[in-house]
Amino acid sequence: DVKVTQSSRYLVKRTGEKVFLECVQDMDHENMFWYRQDPGLGLRLIYFSYDVKMKEKGDIPEGYSVSREKKERFSLILESASTNQTSMYLCASREPGQGANEQFFGPGTRLTVL
Amino acid sequence: AQSVAQPEDQVNVAEGNPLTVKCTYSVSGNPYLFWYVQYPNRGLQFLLKYITGDNLVKGSYGFEAEFNKSQTSFHLKKPSALVSDSALYFCAVRPNQAGTALIFGKGTTLSVSS
Repeated sequence: DVKVTQSSRYLVKRTGEKVFLECVQDMDHENMFWYRQDPGLGLRLIYFSYDVKMKEKGDIPEGYSVSREKKERFSLILESASTNQTSMYLCASREPGQGANEQFFGPGTRLTVL
Repeated sequence: AQSVAQPEDQVNVAEGNPLTVKCTYSVSGNPYLFWYVQYPNRGLQFLLKYITGDNLVKGSYGFEAEFNKSQTSFHLKKPSALVSDSALYFCAVRPNQAGTALIFGKGTTLSVSS
């Protein structure tokens, strides 16, 4: 089974801190994704990566950056955390291609910015 | 703009009754369609997907979904609901082109009473 793990389930940070959210998948997937989930808004795509060192902006990239130095790891970075970035963050990975391959999700990191 | 709509924030059914969770989409071409389920404090789990062919797709935990191209809908169904089906359900679509991520609806909370 595909396993996607996220470094923390719960995280509390202060405004202005630099925050790193780590995601690791063990199925050699080329594609990886970061979403944030907010009540009533569903999942919104922040960034995704086709392959190592490649990244594409999603729908809401402002205030975030990403890093993909190794195939299995995709990091989300909040350069200067703000209270409006309090949210649930979900990482996912997928087999590449144009087919209907499903995305596999990690358990999520609930981030609170005070 | 491409989008997914889940018109009901919440669906309430009694255990043993059939359930339907609605989804409509606005995506060009012939997209791939998915349903995911999220239990409290967990990541998203894949339920089923439609690629092509038979309009009725069967998935995990006894769920099925009916694709209707003319109505651009992909409603999730189950003949007999269980209390354990209570969760948050997301419909998602992926445009049929390379390099695209899933577009999610806002989610529907299913509550099954005993």
